[in-house]
Amino acid sequence: KQEVTQIPAALSVPEGENLVLNCSFTDSAIYNLQWFRQDPGKGLTSLLLIQSSQREQTSGRLNASLDKSSGRSTLYIAASQPGDSATYLCAVLILAGKSTFGDGTTLTVKP
Amino acid sequence: DAGVTQSPTHLIKTRGQQVTLRCSPKSGHDTVSWYQQALGQGPQFIFQYYEEEERQRGNFPDRFSGHQFPNYSSELNVNALLLGDSALYLCASSLGLPNEQFFGPGTRLTVL
Repeated sequence: KQEVTQIPAALSVPEGENLVLNCSFTDSAIYNLQWFRQDPGKGLTSLLLIQSSQREQTSGRLNASLDKSSGRSTLYIAASQPGDSATYLCAVLILAGKSTFGDGTTLTVKP
Repeated sequence: DAGVTQSPTHLIKTRGQQVTLRCSPKSGHDTVSWYQQALGQGPQFIFQYYEEEERQRGNFPDRFSGHQFPNYSSELNVNALLLGDSALYLCASSLGLPNEQFFGPGTRLTVL
């Protein structure tokens, strides 16, 4: 059974800091991994999708990496801003189509 | 280009009642997945529909059922509601699988 863990559960940083969020999964037989952002009480916004054959993806100040063999992904946020405050979730998708989510990391960026 | 839409936004029901939630996928998408998200937790996969058939199912009881229509929109039905069914219900669509999933804003269900 696939399990996804995100550490830390919460993170508070001052504005302008670079930071890394972690996601680990137990079964390396994944098809892709997707990072999402969720604002309180809202739906999920897709940030980055990494296919299993890829090592990383970049979008603006965000960079996500994937190491399937070790069961790890990281989301790097450069020059954090208060608007980045949200919960960040990672989800792994297996070939059969099921997605398994972590419980997220709640990020607070202080002005 | 309309994204994924869900209705209603909020819903309050009492124990034992039945509820139907609706989802319209992003334009051009043919696969719909439903998730349940309890407060403070990540979404849990309920089931997935493709070509009007349930293709995958998570660890949810038969009280949870669904349907996909020819226009790819979908419904989630929950019978005999329990207090523990209170959650945010999310719908996601994609163009086939495995591909990037796009989520709707969710339906907040409260069971009293």
